[in-house]
Formats: sequence, structure tokens, C-alpha cells
Amino acid sequence: GAVVSQHPSRVICKSGTSVKIECRSLDFQATTMFWYRQFPKQSLMLMATSNEGSKATYEQGVEKDKFLINHASLTLSTLTVTSAHPEDSSFYICSAVRLSAFFGQGTRLTVV
Amino acid sequence: GENVEQHPSTLSVQEGDSAVIKCTYSDSASNYFPWYKQELGKRPQLIIDIRSNVGEKKDQRIAVTLNKTAKHFSLHITETQPEDSAVYFCASPGGSQGNLIFGKGTKLSVKP
Repeated sequence: GAVVSQHPSRVICKSGTSVKIECRSLDFQATTMFWYRQFPKQSLMLMATSNEGSKATYEQGVEKDKFLINHASLTLSTLTVTSAHPEDSSFYICSAVRLSAFFGQGTRLTVV
Repeated sequence: GENVEQHPSTLSVQEGDSAVIKCTYSDSASNYFPWYKQELGKRPQLIIDIRSNVGEKKDQRIAVTLNKTAKHFSLHITETQPEDSAVYFCASPGGSQGNLIFGKGTKLSVKP
């Protein structure tokens, strides 16, 4: 299957700081990537759709100014969690579609 | 928008038994139904998918059946093994760009 790589896999940050997460499609070009959040023992919830060269589309209830998405190239999308708070601690995971959806490794964010 | 319901939330079987997980969806226009397996702390992995032009698809011990009239699809695992223990998610397209709407997941435990 297609390869989607996400970094970092784990990050711990202080409350009030910002964290950037990268999602790369390694063997194909992805004009669209998706960012999901997963709380413990829960399902994956779509946060936003990242569109290459244009603004991201956010799901209802997701703050666009807090979760900044940049999709500057056909192989890279970034999610920046700004002014992180403990309630932002979660598992963030990206995906890209090549016939089927393939996921990055996920990023375990802990805000202390 | 699309709504996906998944049952059961937990399933415990003895090694060698079969396991069945069911999902229903709301959008009659949905035409693609993947199943993902997620082990603790890891990314979801696509294990099987089915498109609406067929009613069943099989890959070794795993099969998926689709009933478009009733708008439900099921994952069947035969001869279960302890390594099948994981959380399984069904999904359905949530829009035209390829994002997925996930069921809440089923935690499958296979007891030796």
C-alpha cells in the first residue's frame, strides 16, 4: 500500500507553546490530506481537510486559529497546535488517499 | 452527512472461533466500505474493503459482506488467532474528497 509518514511520533510540550506535526506522502502525490484526532478508547474524528495550495476545511467545532494547517506541497501537510493546553493532549493522525485511505504513524501529544 | 454505527463495542471470542462485527450507514450514495485494524498506540491499517458493485469479498480468514438495500456491511473473521486482538473500525466516505467517517470501533479480544 501507499506510504504516509508522520512526525514526530511523540511530543511533550508545555502549556501555552505551539507544536508542529508533519505528514508526508512518500510514494505518491496527495492534493488532499486529512487530519484526525483520537482520544483514548475512542474512534477517529475528522478535524480538517488539508488542500494543497488552498485553505483547509475544518469540521464543525474545530478552531481553525488553534489548529493551523498548511499544505504547501503535494507531499507535505503540517498541523500546528497553537497555544496548546492540557485538553489538547491526544493522538493526532493524518491520512492521504490513494485508492484507499492510508494513515501516518500518528503523533501522541501530551501538554503539561 | 454520513453516519456510521458499529456494533458490538467489545467482542471476546475463543481462539479458533469466528468473529462478526456489523456496521450500518445512512447515506445511500456511499459506495466504498473499508475496515481498519488498529493495535494499541499504532496507526489504523486497512485490512479489507468492498465497493458497492459487489456483495462479498474475501481475503483468507477475513471477509466483508455488503447489503446495500439494508445499508449495512459486516466484517467476518474466521479461525481467530490471538494476534487478531485489536480494535476494528468500519468506515464510509464522508464527502467527495475522500475523507472517511468511522464507526466507534470494536475491541476484539481473542482468548488462547
